[in-house]
Amino acid sequence: AQTVTQSQPEMSVQEAETVTLSCTYDTSESNYYLFWYKQPPSRQMILVIRQEAYKQQNATENRFSVNFQKAAKSFSLKISDSQLGDTAMYFCAFMKPLFSGNNRLAFGKGNQVVVIP
Amino acid sequence: DVKVTQSSRYLVKRTGEKVFLECVQDMDHENMFWYRQDPGLGLRLIYFSYDVKMKEKGDIPEGYSVSREKKERFSLILESASTNQTSMYLCASSGGRRNSYEQYFGPGTRLTVT
Repeated sequence: AQTVTQSQPEMSVQEAETVTLSCTYDTSESNYYLFWYKQPPSRQMILVIRQEAYKQQNATENRFSVNFQKAAKSFSLKISDSQLGDTAMYFCAFMKPLFSGNNRLAFGKGNQVVVIP
Repeated sequence: DVKVTQSSRYLVKRTGEKVFLECVQDMDHENMFWYRQDPGLGLRLIYFSYDVKMKEKGDIPEGYSVSREKKERFSLILESASTNQTSMYLCASSGGRRNSYEQYFGPGTRLTVT
């Protein structure tokens, strides 16, 4: 089974500043997907960003971007211009896509991010 | 928008009771998943289903069973609830033509077993 590791369990950041969350994973696969999910307090988990391993270009979604280092098996998330609504638990996740479609995710333990006004 | 709903946000049950957690999705997704979320442990997969009447064990299936009689509904069953099953339970679904690998989550059910 794939292992996903997130360090720095809790981080604080000033509003408008930048914060980076680290994630490493262990796999022998060459084709896979990586995700960052966000879970705000008492709200639903939502997808923030995803990266296909075969793409060299780092994914970007507005203020969220990733630094994907395939050889190092590293997948960090950068949140720029932090906003109060970014306060949430962030989970890194790994998926090996299968033709059968039963695409299960392996999650890290999460990083709590608190944005301070 | 994809909508995944769960039957209860909060549930309190007694030890030994049979507990049903229901999940419904409205996007005709093939895949559905049940996770439990515990502080410091992240999300752990209990069971998943990639088609009606099909099910596969996840990482922590002991003490749980599932049922998928219709494509849109996936039920998690605790045959005899125990206190160590007190947790947050999240349902998710994925599939369809666009973004087939993205999992969409329900709001969660916080179950307390006393």
